[in-house]
Amino acid sequence: AQSVTQPDIHITVSEGASLELRCNYSYGATPYLFWYVQSPGQGLQLLLKYFSGDTLVQGIKGFEAEFKRSQSSFNLRKPSVHWSDAAEYFCAVGAGAGSYQLTFGKGTKLSVIP
Amino acid sequence: DGGITQSPKYLFRKEGQNVTLSCEQNLNHDAMYWYRQDPGQGLRLIYYSQIVNDFQKGDIAEGYSVSREKKESFPLTVTSAQKNPTAFYLCASREDRAVSYNEQFFGPGTRLTVL
Repeated sequence: AQSVTQPDIHITVSEGASLELRCNYSYGATPYLFWYVQSPGQGLQLLLKYFSGDTLVQGIKGFEAEFKRSQSSFNLRKPSVHWSDAAEYFCAVGAGAGSYQLTFGKGTKLSVIP
Repeated sequence: DGGITQSPKYLFRKEGQNVTLSCEQNLNHDAMYWYRQDPGQGLRLIYYSQIVNDFQKGDIAEGYSVSREKKESFPLTVTSAQKNPTAFYLCASREDRAVSYNEQFFGPGTRLTVL
């Protein structure tokens, strides 16, 4: 079975600083990887996804993520954080085509200092 | 606008009562999902359905029941057998296309509190 680890429960950055949120997955084959964002009391919104091809994936709101198979990682990055980026971020893995399920990490809460 | 609606947004229940959470989608998606979210626990899958009149248990199905009589609707009943039902419940849907692994789209959630 697949699993996802987000090592950082809570990260605080200053507005304008760069951001990297870590995600490590466990899965025997090529995974399908996702990053979602959740504002308090809201549903989840997809930021980006990786299926195959270019390992650097661009998403919405200026986010990108890089798939590194050798490290089983899919870290989320943003060069300059805005106060509106404060939210909780979830990494998820899907176990191959035909699988209907996603496995989510426990999330990383991002706080932004003005 | 296409999307997923969940109602109500807030729900209060007395212990021993069953309660049903609504989830409707107009995206024409085949698959639908229910998740439970607790602080610091991420999302845990309760039930999912790939087609009408069929559904599968997820990781934490005990104390919950679902039905899928229509493609656009996937209601979740939290029964009195669920020992700790206070949580945030999220519904999601996904288009089933064999050529790729599609993302799940989420509704705004229902916060259930047991009094």
